[in-house]
Amino acid sequence: NAGVTQTPKFRILKIGQSMTLQCTQDMNHNYMYWYRQDPGMGLKLIYYSVGAGITDKGEVPNGYNVSRSTTEDFPLRLELAAPSQTSVYFCASSYRLQGSNQPQHFGDGTRLSIL
Amino acid sequence: EDKVVQSPLSLVVHEGDTVTLNCSYEVTNFRSLLWYKQEKKAPTFLFMLTSSGIEKKSGRLSSILDKKELFSILNITATQTGDSAIYLCAVVEGGGSEKLVFGKGTKLTVNP
Repeated sequence: NAGVTQTPKFRILKIGQSMTLQCTQDMNHNYMYWYRQDPGMGLKLIYYSVGAGITDKGEVPNGYNVSRSTTEDFPLRLELAAPSQTSVYFCASSYRLQGSNQPQHFGDGTRLSIL
Repeated sequence: EDKVVQSPLSLVVHEGDTVTLNCSYEVTNFRSLLWYKQEKKAPTFLFMLTSSGIEKKSGRLSSILDKKELFSILNITATQTGDSAIYLCAVVEGGGSEKLVFGKGTKLTVNP
C-alpha cells in the first residue's frame, strides 16, 4: 500500500523557473491538500480539493496553482519561482472526517530550494 | 493571528523525564484536534481528540482535550531519545473542507 506519494523528493530551481510537484494517492480519498512548512514553523495550507474537479485556496495560495482532474492526482504548480517559495512541501489526503476516525495521511515531502 | 498556539516552542529534557506539551486553539466550527509527531520527514499521526475529558493513550503517550477551555495537552512519560521530534498540534475546522490548522510545533529534545 503506497499511500501518498510525492515526487520529486528534492529540487533546486532558479528564480523565474516553473515546475510541478506531483502528488498521487491510492487510497481513494476524496480530500487532498498541499501544505508548505518553513523552518521552525508549522504547516500552512496552500490549496485543497474536496473531489475531482474541485479546488479551493488555503491560507497561502499566492504563486501557486493546482488542478484535480482525477481522484488520485493533485499536482501543485509554481509558475514563476521566487526565493520566498523555498520550503518543504507536503501533500496529504483524507476521507471526510465526519463519521470517520481517519486523519490526514501525509506524503514524505518535497524539499524545494529557489536560488 | 495564530489560531493554534503551542507551548513551549522548544524543550530539552533527560531520558526518563515526563513532559507535557500544550496546545490552545481558537477556531470557528471546531471538529477535532490532532497530534502529530514529525521526525525527519512527514508528520505521523498520534491522536485524534473530539470529546472533552476522554484521555487517549498509546504506550507512554497520552492526550486529553478540554473543549470548554479550548486546549489540549500531550503527555510523554519516561521519555526516550527516540521521542526527540517536533510535535505538531492541528485543529480540524468543519464546514466541508476538513482543513487542518497547524500550530508551530514543539521541538522536543531528549538527551541520554
